Amino acid sequence: DAGITQSPRHKVTETGTPVTLRCHQTENHRYMYWYRQDPGHGLRLIHYSYGVKDTDKGEVSDGYSVSRSKTEDFLLTLESATSSQTSVYFCAISDPGQNYNEQFFGPGTRLTVL
Amino acid sequence: GQSLEQPSEVTAVEGAIVQINCTYQTSGFYGLSWYQQHDGGAPTFLSYNALDGLEETGRFSSFLSRSDSYGYLLLQELQMKDSASYFCAVSARYSTLTFGKGTMLLVSP
Repeated sequence: DAGITQSPRHKVTETGTPVTLRCHQTENHRYMYWYRQDPGHGLRLIHYSYGVKDTDKGEVSDGYSVSRSKTEDFLLTLESATSSQTSVYFCAISDPGQNYNEQFFGPGTRLTVL
Repeated sequence: GQSLEQPSEVTAVEGAIVQINCTYQTSGFYGLSWYQQHDGGAPTFLSYNALDGLEETGRFSSFLSRSDSYGYLLLQELQMKDSASYFCAVSARYSTLTFGKGTMLLVSP
């Protein structure tokens, strides 16, 4: 299994508070992604990174920001959490030099915003 | 924008064959992927088609027709453990994925 961890695995927070989710990989993969999964919507891309300090927006980026200061870590920040951001968040990785079209997913973070 | 359509649910019995279809509308198409997700778990990669035709991996096969914007996942010799959600996804630059809403496969004895 690809070495991807997410922290925390579960979090309950209140509306208006900032929240940061961490994705850590030990595979030295260049590309990293954040998705959210909600019933009836499948997985939707929030932001992605194609290299250290190189990031771009995905389909549902409003209210989220990301940072990638080193290869192994990709942080997702909810600047002011809202109830609509209650979801399961998955991080994924891939690499252009290895099985380019396969993404490996982390175990997910279940976030509840009250 | 990109959109994908797949059935919401499919049922089958052990040992049978089932086909899950996926149609897509997209710009910047690189290929079509399939992922499996068991309840509460992480999605796992099954297959990828960049060119027209059939790709076979064990009991699973995947097909793509780029001219029809259509693909399918074929699961043979179904087992109870195949009960899961299956997602088709189109890939674009930097291997970003746009997923369909998923098909729940229920395999009964």
